[in-house]
Amino acid sequence: NAGVTQTPKFRILKIGQSMTLQCTQDMNHNYMYWYRQDPGMGLKLIYYSVGAGITDKGEVPNGYNVSRSTTEDFPLRLELAAPSQTSVYFCASSPRDRGLYGYTFGSGTRLTVV
Amino acid sequence: GNSVTQMEGPVTLSEEAFLTINCTYTATGYPSLFWYVQYPGEGLQLLLKATKADDKGSNKGFEATYRKETTSFHLEKGSVQVSDSAVYFCALSASNSGGSNYKLTFGKGTLLTVNP
Repeated sequence: NAGVTQTPKFRILKIGQSMTLQCTQDMNHNYMYWYRQDPGMGLKLIYYSVGAGITDKGEVPNGYNVSRSTTEDFPLRLELAAPSQTSVYFCASSPRDRGLYGYTFGSGTRLTVV
Repeated sequence: GNSVTQMEGPVTLSEEAFLTINCTYTATGYPSLFWYVQYPGEGLQLLLKATKADDKGSNKGFEATYRKETTSFHLEKGSVQVSDSAVYFCALSASNSGGSNYKLTFGKGTLLTVNP
């Protein structure tokens, strides 16, 4: 199984550009999450989804949008990129019993906004 | 709200030294506790977990015991190797406000460097 796959692995954006970070999982997990990781700051939750068609904001949603049209895919959209969005982005998924099994993470997308 | 506090890094050890990384938590209800490891350039991987008080999680020589009385979940390893060099994250999963929303809450991470 591939687990959680994120693309691209690296991207450089200019201020004001937009892009979509792709995330797909093949484990039939209901729950999916987007985190950003800044140096020395741990992981902060951007958005999450508890199933197809249902999304909700996390701690730091401003500047981002998500959609969940299928169980497998959970893309993250950046509109009008800003330097503050320079970060490493991780997608994760978990089964319904997330308290017991934790999350499966993708390998991340390193984004630089210049 | 829920929170996780883990010891500040970086931690630098020699090979075969004993490792402890402290983690304490604040949570409503009865959380599940986790340690994740992030090797350079990779995503987070689940290292071990414990789902109730006094449970001991273990994997790859690492151990952590869920201590409800001290709200702690300290990570230990008796003899570290160079290959253990990574960032370690303590995390908890608990409902918010008694609901069914069990998002993971992470600590800030501790960078471990093991020298030969």
